[in-house]
Amino acid sequence: NAGVTQTPKFRILKIGQSMTLQCTQDMNHNYMYWYRQDPGMGLKLIYYSVGAGITDKGEVPNGYNVSRSTTEDFPLRLELAAPSQTSVYFCASSAQGEGPYGYTFGSGTRLTVV
Amino acid sequence: TQLLEQSPQFLSIQEGENLTVYCNSSSVFSSLQWYRQEPGEGPVLLVTVVTGGEVKKLKRLTFQFGDARKDSSLHITAAQPGDTGLYLCAPKTTSGTYKYIFGTGTRLKVLA
Repeated sequence: NAGVTQTPKFRILKIGQSMTLQCTQDMNHNYMYWYRQDPGMGLKLIYYSVGAGITDKGEVPNGYNVSRSTTEDFPLRLELAAPSQTSVYFCASSAQGEGPYGYTFGSGTRLTVV
Repeated sequence: TQLLEQSPQFLSIQEGENLTVYCNSSSVFSSLQWYRQEPGEGPVLLVTVVTGGEVKKLKRLTFQFGDARKDSSLHITAAQPGDTGLYLCAPKTTSGTYKYIFGTGTRLKVLA
């Protein structure tokens, strides 16, 4: 029972490089989210999706892009990496957006931009 | 922008002690969740509270949602080293959005 799987777990990027953080879930959840977590700052929502083909911006979307071609996958793309994007990135999914459904989180990707 | 405050930010206690952490806001929430996050892992859902005044118990953890649905507390009885972690509250606004907002958390360390 995998839940939410994120790859890679760790990555070091040089300034200006690009990369895609992968996220896949096997629970058939419609809703998926990307958060970043900085020390002492809590979790900030980057992008979210309410179903395949539908995405929307969260609180801090600048410098990122997402796509949702299938229910299972929700990759996060970083273009032109900057030091400010050094963070831990978490992908999450939930069964439905409305109602008190909990999020299932992946174990995170720790990204360092140097 | 909703202001969400969790207190205390840090707490270090001895095994066996009791503690309470708080989640406060000036906004009214339709529901609120508590998560625990261990180092190197994603947050894990502990409980969801929905009704004002609601109290839920999970073994030694007691969660309460304020009557006005603006605040919540988490009480741990006889803390154990396994309770160590970052406790995050995540309220959901009444605006019908799909998203929970996360507090900055209380970092708890329980010493053996």
